[in-house]
Amino acid sequence: GQNIDQPTEMTATEGAIVQINCTYQTSGFNGLFWYQQHAGEAPTFLSYNVLDGLEEKGRFSSFLSRSKGYSYLLLKELQMKDSASYLCAVLDSNYQLIWGAGTKLIIKP
Amino acid sequence: EPEVTQTPSHQVTQMGQEVILRCVPISNHLYFYWYRQILGQKVEFLVSFYNNEISEKSEIFDDQFSVERPDGSNFTLKIRSTKLEDSAMYFCASRGLAGGTDTQYFGPGTRLTVL
Repeated sequence: GQNIDQPTEMTATEGAIVQINCTYQTSGFNGLFWYQQHAGEAPTFLSYNVLDGLEEKGRFSSFLSRSKGYSYLLLKELQMKDSASYLCAVLDSNYQLIWGAGTKLIIKP
Repeated sequence: EPEVTQTPSHQVTQMGQEVILRCVPISNHLYFYWYRQILGQKVEFLVSFYNNEISEKSEIFDDQFSVERPDGSNFTLKIRSTKLEDSAMYFCASRGLAGGTDTQYFGPGTRLTVL
């Protein structure tokens, strides 16, 4: 079966750094996405990795290791508005997005 | 910046009624999707649509569901006879190539409440 695992909830302090991990087992791989979702809203695109390595985009970076079936999202200089759920999703061989359950990130002042 | 739009934002219906959820994908995109998210649960794939036909569908997408692209812009999801468990957020997404990525862009969602 297809499976994506990520922690259910994480807590971090404003101004700090947090790393959200994601592991996956899917039928085929055409890339891994990270989306941010605020409560009651649609997921919004953060990053896309298809090759191994680190992709940096401002305060957010995403890393992929295809051999390990592993990715992480790194958020730096955390702001209160970063409080949200972060969804890991893998594009499988049928170009279907397979979703993790999301990691709820709580930022404390 | 182009975006996916969805109407209505909130739909309340009685069990057994038909509902049609509407989406306008990004204009030059060719692949369209419907997802749902029951409150507090993960996003679930329903169906993908390409070249005027369904390309993939999940187990959730049974005979009560149908999709249509009636004209060049709209993409609709119809639920023929709603059940209480159909209450969820329904997201439409469209896919195109942006900066080399195969990103799916999501609409704001329609909250469906079945009473």
